Amino acid sequence: DAKTTQPPSMDCAEGRAANLPCNHSTISGNEYVYWYRQIHSQGPQYIIHGLKNNETNEMASLIITEDRKSSTLILPHATLRDTAVYYCIVRVANKLVFGAGTILRVKS
Amino acid sequence: GAVVSQHPSWVICKSGTSVKIECRSLDFQATTMFWYRQFPKQSLMLMATSNEGSKATYEQGVEKDKFLINHASLTLSTLTVTSAHPEDSSFYICSARAAGNTGELFFGEGSRLTVL
Repeated sequence: DAKTTQPPSMDCAEGRAANLPCNHSTISGNEYVYWYRQIHSQGPQYIIHGLKNNETNEMASLIITEDRKSSTLILPHATLRDTAVYYCIVRVANKLVFGAGTILRVKS
Repeated sequence: GAVVSQHPSWVICKSGTSVKIECRSLDFQATTMFWYRQFPKQSLMLMATSNEGSKATYEQGVEKDKFLINHASLTLSTLTVTSAHPEDSSFYICSARAAGNTGELFFGEGSRLTVL
């Protein structure tokens, strides 16, 4: 069973920051939070992952709360090509179990 | 970045036949690969964990005799859908993690199976 909950969908204006929330209140101390996205009919694309510190890479930033019960993925300047389903995943026993994800629609 | 390739990307077969899907890690060795299935407008469902040189571990409710998994080398895992039926039509996706890597999992492009 997925250990995360996400809003089913979100809209974002092109050029604006997209902030995607995720709740993982039952996360254990040594479990990482992963974010992937899936564009229609393609395999999931890795975005970022973290344990407890905030992380940033060329695609996005990951903000994890101090209690680690929630996190936010930030796409700093969303483009139309960022429209996809975004999955927040907590790795369980070396496996990634996907939840329903958030459909992000970037609109011009 | 690391690349995982699947073949074929799509396949159409008759009911009752068997179909094999290959998953290859192109630039790294993968001791563990994972197979997922995705139905339209649904999320990915983990089917099984494929371990190089040993038997695959199947998730609850997934028939091991129906979905045969072979991970004979560090760069190749295969999924064979045996005696396929229309309800097996789905998007099958594999993923792989580099040996010794506890970081990201890399996914293939997926293989769409349509059983007539």
